[in-house]
Amino acid sequence: GAVVSQHPSRVICKSGTSVKIECRSLDFQATTMFWYRQFPKQSLMLMATSNEGSKATYEQGVEKDKFLINHASLTLSTLTVTSAHPEDSSFYICSARGGQAGNTIYFGEGSWLTVV
Amino acid sequence: GQNIDQPTEMTATEGAIVQINCTYQTSGFNGLFWYQQHAGEAPTFLSYNVLDGLEEKGRFSSFLSRSKGYSYLLLKELQMKDSASYLCAVKIAGGYNKLIFGAGTRLAVHP
Repeated sequence: GAVVSQHPSRVICKSGTSVKIECRSLDFQATTMFWYRQFPKQSLMLMATSNEGSKATYEQGVEKDKFLINHASLTLSTLTVTSAHPEDSSFYICSARGGQAGNTIYFGEGSWLTVV
Repeated sequence: GQNIDQPTEMTATEGAIVQINCTYQTSGFNGLFWYQQHAGEAPTFLSYNVLDGLEEKGRFSSFLSRSKGYSYLLLKELQMKDSASYLCAVKIAGGYNKLIFGAGTRLAVHP
């Protein structure tokens, strides 16, 4: 079946640095991918919709200059957290729409980011 | 705006049946999903309803009433491993059909 792979699964970075998280659809093409953030014991909050070949669409309250999204190919979207701060520490997870008529949402394994 | 409500926590006994409710008020509706999520892991797909009625899949069933903006997830023959968070998510019609999640219901199953 379709698989969405996320990398890295865990990353620790220093405050002020940037970190990139990759989301790949392994056996299907995903023109649209979604990026979510989840704080402990809270639900998934949609950050942005990533569109292949065009600019991402950000949800209200999400800083597009801080969370850079690049969807350069039909199988890869990246999220870069720039100038990371400890409050950016969270579980970041991507999803891609696939299946028949695009009605199936596949999730990546998620990436734990810790900013120290 | 988008509003998806579900209870924060529920407890149930092993072997019993539990119903987790979800109500939604969204700008556009194109289907409702239920996911299971264990702490620190990605959500796992449980069910998808786009038409009114009941969808049954083994021990799990999901019901949808679009006119009432209401869904429930029914778990039968509860097992300890069913202790997890259950997320209700609405696919918003139009644009990119994005998925908006409710806050999730943490279910604790005890012996």
